[in-house]
Amino acid sequence: AQSVTQLGSHVSVSEGALVLLRCNYSSSVPPYLFWYVQYPNQGLQLLLKYTSAATLVKGINGFEAEFKKSETSFHLTKPSAHMSDAAEYFCAVSEYGGGSEKLVFGKGTKLTVNP
Amino acid sequence: GAVVSQHPSWVICKSGTSVKIECRSLDFQATTMFWYRQFPKQSLMLMATSNEGSKATYEQGVEKDKFLINHASLTLSTLTVTSAHPEDSSFYICSAPSPARTYNEQFFGPGTRLTVL
Repeated sequence: AQSVTQLGSHVSVSEGALVLLRCNYSSSVPPYLFWYVQYPNQGLQLLLKYTSAATLVKGINGFEAEFKKSETSFHLTKPSAHMSDAAEYFCAVSEYGGGSEKLVFGKGTKLTVNP
Repeated sequence: GAVVSQHPSWVICKSGTSVKIECRSLDFQATTMFWYRQFPKQSLMLMATSNEGSKATYEQGVEKDKFLINHASLTLSTLTVTSAHPEDSSFYICSAPSPARTYNEQFFGPGTRLTVL
């Protein structure tokens, strides 16, 4: 079964600093991987997704993530944090091939951006 | 992108009453929808998969008689919390697969905050 581990339930950075949110996955088959962002009392918004087309994936709001098969990782980065980036971030994995459309989420990482 | 709506956005009810939450795909059809539950400061837990025209598939440990799901049309799924109790208070989120049905991407509704007094 697939699983996702997000290292660090809380990450705090200064405005303008690098953002790095870590995600490791476990999957028996090539996965589809996703990063979602959730603002308070809202649903989830897709930041980016890995679909095997390219290992470096660029998403919205300046975020990007790199798929590293050897490390089973899909870490999310942004070169310069903005105050508006403060939110909860979830990494998710889905099984390739449409056999199951279920998403399995990590526990989430709360990002705080300090002025 | 595809839009999923939920109604109501928040609801407060008394213990013992039933509450219905609607999930709609606004600009696309969804034969499948998903219902998640999120406790404060925790991740999303899949409760059930709603299937248009057939019974929902519940995840292990989810009481199907407690959480009734009806997928009445290709754009509407409803979750009814029956005989709600304070422990049912939570944030409920629905989602629908991308219309293109690629990569298992899902579009999420804005969520419904349920508070049971």
